Amino acid sequence: VISQSPLSLPVTLGQPASVSCRSSQSLVHSDGNTYLSWFHQRPGQSPRRLIYQVSKRDSGVPDRFSGSGSGTDFTLKISRVEADDVGVYYCMEGPRGYIFGQGTNLEIK
Amino acid sequence: EGLLVQSEGGLVQPGGSLRLSCAASTPTFTHDWMTWVRQAPGKGLEWVAKINPLGTGEYYVDSVRGRFTISRDNAREILYLQMNSLTDEDTGLYYCVTDAWWSFVYWGQGSLVTVSS
Repeated sequence: VISQSPLSLPVTLGQPASVSCRSSQSLVHSDGNTYLSWFHQRPGQSPRRLIYQVSKRDSGVPDRFSGSGSGTDFTLKISRVEADDVGVYYCMEGPRGYIFGQGTNLEIK
Repeated sequence: EGLLVQSEGGLVQPGGSLRLSCAASTPTFTHDWMTWVRQAPGKGLEWVAKINPLGTGEYYVDSVRGRFTISRDNAREILYLQMNSLTDEDTGLYYCVTDAWWSFVYWGQGSLVTVSS
């Protein structure tokens, strides 16, 4: 089970934001890697991957976005929220059946 | 157009069938695992099925196993999802996705499937 929090995240422009993702069991794979990803879905658009393997940022993703964590607890941080960051953020673990978190809806206050 | 271009989807009656397709122009389609992910209206994301690069291994979420079939044509670089015995719980947006190292890299634009009488 993957649990995200908060489910709703109102943020003031320019302020930081943080989303938590917790697993009921360790996500460390037998190969030693942790396959935890973060995706962003803007309204009316397909999801886009931001982070993979906990902390590796995809090409083109601003360095305002960072991923961290280990074992069962993971965090996506946005250092300074911009208007383009609105939408739903999902964490996902891969090897145990591609389980997604419930999603966190980021909105601008 | 994107790297993964999907068919439109459609409206189908309960118990009916529909086939989705996804034309790929990703750099390494013939070497990639491919996946279908769906999203019910107003809900989150759910992995549905995946297929290995050669098309010889298929995996499904329990709720669709036996009703859905994922397949691929590597010569034409097309991914398919054949959906049979559809119910209203299958209604949603279906995404074609490139699966690399247990994560989803490229996403199609989505195909809307509506199951309704």
